[in-house]
Amino acid sequence: DAEITQSPRHKITETGRQVTLACHQTWNHNNMFWYRQDLGHGLRLIHYSYGVQDTNKGEVSDGYSVSRSNTEDLPLTLESAASSQTSVYFCASSPGGSGELFFGEGSRLTVL
Amino acid sequence: AQKITQTQPGMFVQEKEAVTLDCTYDTSDQSYGLFWYKQPSSGEMIFLIYQGSYDEQNATEGRYSLNFQKARKSANLVISASQLGDSAMYFCAMREVYSGNTPLVFGKGTRLSVIA
Repeated sequence: DAEITQSPRHKITETGRQVTLACHQTWNHNNMFWYRQDLGHGLRLIHYSYGVQDTNKGEVSDGYSVSRSNTEDLPLTLESAASSQTSVYFCASSPGGSGELFFGEGSRLTVL
Repeated sequence: AQKITQTQPGMFVQEKEAVTLDCTYDTSDQSYGLFWYKQPSSGEMIFLIYQGSYDEQNATEGRYSLNFQKARKSANLVISASQLGDSAMYFCAMREVYSGNTPLVFGKGTRLSVIA
């Protein structure tokens, strides 16, 4: 069965360190997204991609970057982790059109 | 700019009763899609139901229905015959469809607690 997987599922890091969260989907979807979930804020869009070599900034993109070198993967990098980036991160993909988002299981990141 | 508003941070409902979760949206686009997702305590995001802006009938999926009132820009989720397993966070979301690729924008969510 096709799926979308995130790794690591849990990570603790220190302020200032670079962190990369992986996202891999086997749906062959062109569209991929990264959201963060914080209490009282719902899900907020960080970055998204509509295909290979395409990346776009979302509502809360400062301090984050993504790259899309193939259809399956959209890694999210925190260049210099800050305590404000402690959150649960969700990767999602969609086939486009009016289709629903398919979500990964989430990655809980704690920045100390 | 898109905006989704869920005014109920938390709600309680008695088991077997129906409950309505409110969602209003703001968009200047004529073509858009509305979604509801469920997030149980285990954390995964589960798609529940979809309504297109041009759909004339309200969407239904089992015990879930979407009360779509276009003129009021509301897309309320109705859960009939609530079950204990319905206790979860519920998110309303919208995507403008003019290009087919607009990212989903989410509301802040409503936490539903079903009481036995």
